[in-house]
Amino acid sequence: AQSVTQPDIHITVSEGASLELRCNYSYGATPYLFWYVQSPGQGLQLLLKYFSGDTLVQGIKGFEAEFKRSQSSFNLRKPSVHWSDAAEYFCAVGLAAGNKLTFGGGTRVLVKP
Amino acid sequence: DAGVTQSPTHLIKTRGQQVTLRCSPKSGHDTVSWYQQALGQGPQFIFQYYEEEERQRGNFPDRFSGHQFPNYSSELNVNALLLGDSALYLCASSLAGVSEAFFGQGTRLTVV
Repeated sequence: AQSVTQPDIHITVSEGASLELRCNYSYGATPYLFWYVQSPGQGLQLLLKYFSGDTLVQGIKGFEAEFKRSQSSFNLRKPSVHWSDAAEYFCAVGLAAGNKLTFGGGTRVLVKP
Repeated sequence: DAGVTQSPTHLIKTRGQQVTLRCSPKSGHDTVSWYQQALGQGPQFIFQYYEEEERQRGNFPDRFSGHQFPNYSSELNVNALLLGDSALYLCASSLAGVSEAFFGQGTRLTVV
């Protein structure tokens, strides 16, 4: 069965500093990969997705992620965080677009002034 | 475009009662999925509906059932509520085999 691991439960970063969130997956084939962001009490907003092609994908809000097949990873990065980036971030995998998603446990990001 | 809409936003139920949650998909989408998100955890897949039929199901008991209507909207029903059913229930819609999932704001269910 597929699984997703986000090793970091909490990350605290200073405003303006860079951010990297880790995601590792276990899957029988190359999955469809996603990063979602969730503000407190809200639904999930898609930041970016990887289906195929270029392994470095750009998303909204200045985020990017890199797919590394050899490491079964799909890490999320942002060069300079803003206070509004404080939220919970979820990595998810699926067999196909629109297919059921398996989520990691999430990483909560706190931004210090 | 209204996106994915869910109702109600919040509700409180008593153990043993039944509850129905509703979801309207994003315009143009034909597939609806439901997820349960317990506090402090990632969402867990409950089931997915396409063409008014349950296409996939996660590891949830039969107390959880659903329905999809001809206009693609969907309902999630939970019978014999347990305290452990307290969670944020998220609906996601997509276009089968084509698009990624778009999520609604969720329904916060509290069972007392």
